[in-house]
Amino acid sequence: ETGVTQTPRHLVMGMTNKKSLKCEQHLGHNAMYWYKQSAKKPLELMFVYSLEERVENNSVPSRFSPECPNSSHLFLHLHTLQPEDSALYLCASSLGPGELFFGEGSRLTVL
Amino acid sequence: AQSVTQLDSQVPVFEEAPVELRCNYSSSVSVYLFWYVQYPNQGLQLLLKYLSGSTLVKGINGFEAEFNKSQTSFHLRKPSVHISDTAEYFCAVRRIYNQGGKLIFGQGTELSVKP
Repeated sequence: ETGVTQTPRHLVMGMTNKKSLKCEQHLGHNAMYWYKQSAKKPLELMFVYSLEERVENNSVPSRFSPECPNSSHLFLHLHTLQPEDSALYLCASSLGPGELFFGEGSRLTVL
Repeated sequence: AQSVTQLDSQVPVFEEAPVELRCNYSSSVSVYLFWYVQYPNQGLQLLLKYLSGSTLVKGINGFEAEFNKSQTSFHLRKPSVHISDTAEYFCAVRRIYNQGGKLIFGQGTELSVKP
């Protein structure tokens, strides 16, 4: 138990589907992150929310849409994805400039 | 901008042998340094971190790392590894005093411990 919970752990979707990934933290942190982990590639930062405002968007395609309704919850809305979007999506949270705490990840497969 | 280079993509080692996983970083500003471990089908877990103070940092599971500012390195070591240490290890840096700032990762080193 890391304090950061991601659901679902596994998701299979077609290219025309719409789905969402959910992340929840109960650590009292004030920043939340989405990272993408693909096979044989470094971890890629997608989005950063600090105090519920998006502070970073690393040129992510618009088919990925983040939402941070409060400091404890973060969503990643997915629509019209491509097979190359198949990856492990990791959520993390932090307090100030310290370390990030990661969830277990959501394994996404796009058919 | 910051960058991290992990010098070995794979490190095979026998059980009870010592191991060193190498990490070099580049940054024009002061940074915090981290090592994370990822076991199969799991998220990342913090092994240890350097924020300030003593350059020798001890972490969980018997790992330690030494911060060398002149060589911009932060190598991870363990004197005697176990089968259960088989995992992927990531070195990362983050700018100091950067609320909500991103953590920049290296490419990862796959540690494989053989009996």
